[in-house]
Amino acid sequence: AQTVTQSQPEMSVQEAETVTLSCTYDTSESNYYLFWYKQPPSRQMILVIRQEAYKQQNATENRFSVNFQKAAKSFSLKISDSQLGDTAMYFCAFIGNDYKLSFGAGTTVTVRA
Amino acid sequence: EPEVTQTPSHQVTQMGQEVILRCVPISNHLYFYWYRQILGQKVEFLVSFYNNEISEKSEIFDDQFSVERPDGSNFTLKIRSTKLEDSAMYFCASKGGGWSNQPQHFGDGTRLSIL
Repeated sequence: AQTVTQSQPEMSVQEAETVTLSCTYDTSESNYYLFWYKQPPSRQMILVIRQEAYKQQNATENRFSVNFQKAAKSFSLKISDSQLGDTAMYFCAFIGNDYKLSFGAGTTVTVRA
Repeated sequence: EPEVTQTPSHQVTQMGQEVILRCVPISNHLYFYWYRQILGQKVEFLVSFYNNEISEKSEIFDDQFSVERPDGSNFTLKIRSTKLEDSAMYFCASKGGGWSNQPQHFGDGTRLSIL
């Protein structure tokens, strides 16, 4: 079974600053996909960004980017120019050949005005 | 943009009662999922469903749980005899294709409170 670890329970960042969330995972598979989901206080689950393991290029989506290090099994999320609306819980997730998402424990991000 | 919709948004039920959580996946999607998130804990996979049958289920998904796609649009999760520990947020998700890289689209969740 795959495990996903998010070692930072909480992060705080000043508005307009940058914050980086860490995520590591453990798998024996070579082909898999990684995602970051955002869960605001309303508790929806919103896809932020995804990365295919076979792609070396790091995914970018507007102010969100990832640093994918396949050998280290690391998948960090960088939020640039943080906005108040970015305040949420962020989950790292892994999906492999079993087609089911495995989530990390989440990191609560608070953006301060 | 098409959405996954879940009803009700909040369900309060007495322990021992049956509860049905409803989901309408995105219309052309073929793969359906239920996840659970106990307050303060991580999101956990419950079950996946494809071609009118369960593809995979977790150890959480015991005989108290069942899923159904009764009419080609709704996708339901039934808990037959609820327990206090079933209190959680339940998320439905769907995706179009079978490839792993297709993202699962989540509904807004149903908050289930067992009294």
